[in-house]
Amino acid sequence: GAVVSQHPSRVICKSGTSVKIECRSLDFQATTMFWYRQFPKKSLMLMATSNEGSKATYEQGVEKDKFLINHASLTLSTLTVTSAHPEDSSFYICSAREASGSSYEQYFGPGTRLTVT
Amino acid sequence: QQQVKQSPQSLIVQKGGISIINCAYENTAFDYFPWYQQFPGKGPALLIAIRPDVSEKKEGRFTISFNKSAKQFSLHIMDSQPGDSATYFCAASQRGGNNRKLIWGLGTSLAVNP
Repeated sequence: GAVVSQHPSRVICKSGTSVKIECRSLDFQATTMFWYRQFPKKSLMLMATSNEGSKATYEQGVEKDKFLINHASLTLSTLTVTSAHPEDSSFYICSAREASGSSYEQYFGPGTRLTVT
Repeated sequence: QQQVKQSPQSLIVQKGGISIINCAYENTAFDYFPWYQQFPGKGPALLIAIRPDVSEKKEGRFTISFNKSAKQFSLHIMDSQPGDSATYFCAASQRGGNNRKLIWGLGTSLAVNP
């Protein structure tokens, strides 16, 4: 149980275009989903937290107009990187927390490798 | 300021040995301490987690030791295997209006030699 998927696993796009990454909880309902960015050999950097049906909360320094997050249902959140530039190239990972109020665990997706040329 | 300090940065262990990774924290409001394992190109996977009401938790070859007074917790991997070679992250979270976001250590790269 507690499986989170991400799509696509890899994407290459040209500078100036937008890219959408999907995060789905496959066997549970997730009230809260988190989006992370990870640079090579570095720790995970939280970008934003999203709760189903409400606006995402962005961490300090993360541009909300550039990284659009939508959490339209209890099983799906999307991250759209708008007007992507080479510096946005990174490994993006989502995680989800169960709707149960007593749940502490975050379950992670397999990640999406974004390369902007 | 790193709220969760993890050490060592890298670790080499012989097959069959014990791998020990340590983490320390400052925020006494933290009440959940998970360890994650990450292989290259993959997302982190929850390995084991502990709450501060217990001092030790064991799952198979993995054990968390928790010292509340010292504000430290550690991961012990018994009988380490080459397949355990990965990056390990400790983390912590607290109750409150922050959706239990995780505060991460910087990671430990573990290599288990055959």
